[in-house]
Amino acid sequence: GQQLNQSPQSMFIQEGEDVSMNCTSSSIFNTWLWYKQEPGEGPVLLIALYKAGELTSNGRLTAQFGITRKDSFLNISASIPSDVGIYFCAGQQWQNAGNMLTFGGGTRLMVKP
Amino acid sequence: DAEITQSPRHKITETGRQVTLACHQTWNHNNMFWYRQDLGHGLRLIHYSYGVQDTNKGEVSDGYSVSRSNTEDLPLTLESAASSQTSVYFCASSGPSRNSPLHFGNGTRLTVT
Repeated sequence: GQQLNQSPQSMFIQEGEDVSMNCTSSSIFNTWLWYKQEPGEGPVLLIALYKAGELTSNGRLTAQFGITRKDSFLNISASIPSDVGIYFCAGQQWQNAGNMLTFGGGTRLMVKP
Repeated sequence: DAEITQSPRHKITETGRQVTLACHQTWNHNNMFWYRQDLGHGLRLIHYSYGVQDTNKGEVSDGYSVSRSNTEDLPLTLESAASSQTSVYFCASSGPSRNSPLHFGNGTRLTVT
């Protein structure tokens, strides 16, 4: 099935550093979503983007919906140990009677105190 | 608070047995989804439903079935469990609007021996 191209696959950074990850697709999406998954838990929604060009922040997190509607990035500023986890992007499209998501492969973030 | 609950959290079963994983949401969402998550494959869609009595196959539906007799529940059945179905299974739901994001349960870890 279709997947989004998410990069990098993993990052190992020092506490306090900024982080950037992105997703690209050959398809256009109406909505871009960013999720975080911690061990033993389900993905939790961090940020939802609904308009091309939209830039949205949630605390230390900032995400943008690309103008072409085919890409998105997520930045985390001043990383802390609790930022550790797997971050997934997802493109959402309306399909027949409901929404359908396509996921990126995830970015595993490790933070060294 | 509304939530989405999966049960059991962990299950060990033998090859050939029928297994049913439960998913219950209290958001009154029309849209419900089942994903499996495996290392190297990310989140893959198994089945989904856009309302009562509606079910649809996802990209990895072989060996699985779902039924939707009410809004709150979408049980996932493995007709004859196989070792290749050892995985972590996530249920998700979303509201009816085009902008409604997916919310995930905490997963069921299934081991088929």
